Amino acid sequence: QKEVEQDPGPLSVPEGAIVSLNCTYSNSAFQYFMWYRQYSRKGPELLMYTYSSGNKEDGRFTAQVDKSSKYISLFIRDSQPSDSATYLCAMSALLVGNTPLVFGKGTRLSVIA
Amino acid sequence: EPEVTQTPSHQVTQMGQEVILRCVPISNHLYFYWYRQILGQKVEFLVSFYNNEISEKSEIFDDQFSVERPDGSNFTLKIRSTKLEDSAMYFCASSEDGGGGLTEAFFGQGTRLTVV
Repeated sequence: QKEVEQDPGPLSVPEGAIVSLNCTYSNSAFQYFMWYRQYSRKGPELLMYTYSSGNKEDGRFTAQVDKSSKYISLFIRDSQPSDSATYLCAMSALLVGNTPLVFGKGTRLSVIA
Repeated sequence: EPEVTQTPSHQVTQMGQEVILRCVPISNHLYFYWYRQILGQKVEFLVSFYNNEISEKSEIFDDQFSVERPDGSNFTLKIRSTKLEDSAMYFCASSEDGGGGLTEAFFGQGTRLTVV
């Protein structure tokens, strides 16, 4: 079983839609959960992170973690064309400086004006 | 805004040749990383580097790979004898010493390595 699974999409939505992006994982040691956004020809950029279970909101973005189901989500409200990018989930067991991140494959999102 | 800079943006090399990928991390950062992404695949961890030595490495990071911080600003990844399967986007990243809290890893824009 792969450590982190993420539906690669592509996902195409109209402007203003609510977008739901998801990842599942198998390693119960993961404690830190991150969402990165990657624009074409750019490196990943950290959007949000959460520790353990629960929700975290930042503007139009909400990250959710359900450790009992080993399932994380990113919701984007009022999606904009500028949100068009690939969204990568990433996770780790620890968050000291040298801890490797384990990434999902990324979901390509297109928001159509 | 400070950023991680990688050169070159694209490198084409013949199989068996040595390549050096270069990175300038953010100046006050203490942890340095290399990740790679084969086309259509996940971003995969290669190696982390702290205090002038490797602190973690993955199974991918075998004897063909080495890293170095030759001076106070550059961080390099060397592949000694490239194989076709080394073709990928290579990302350098750096982070501060967060003292146990979240240390955000800032990624460079990547170097696309094509081995022919």
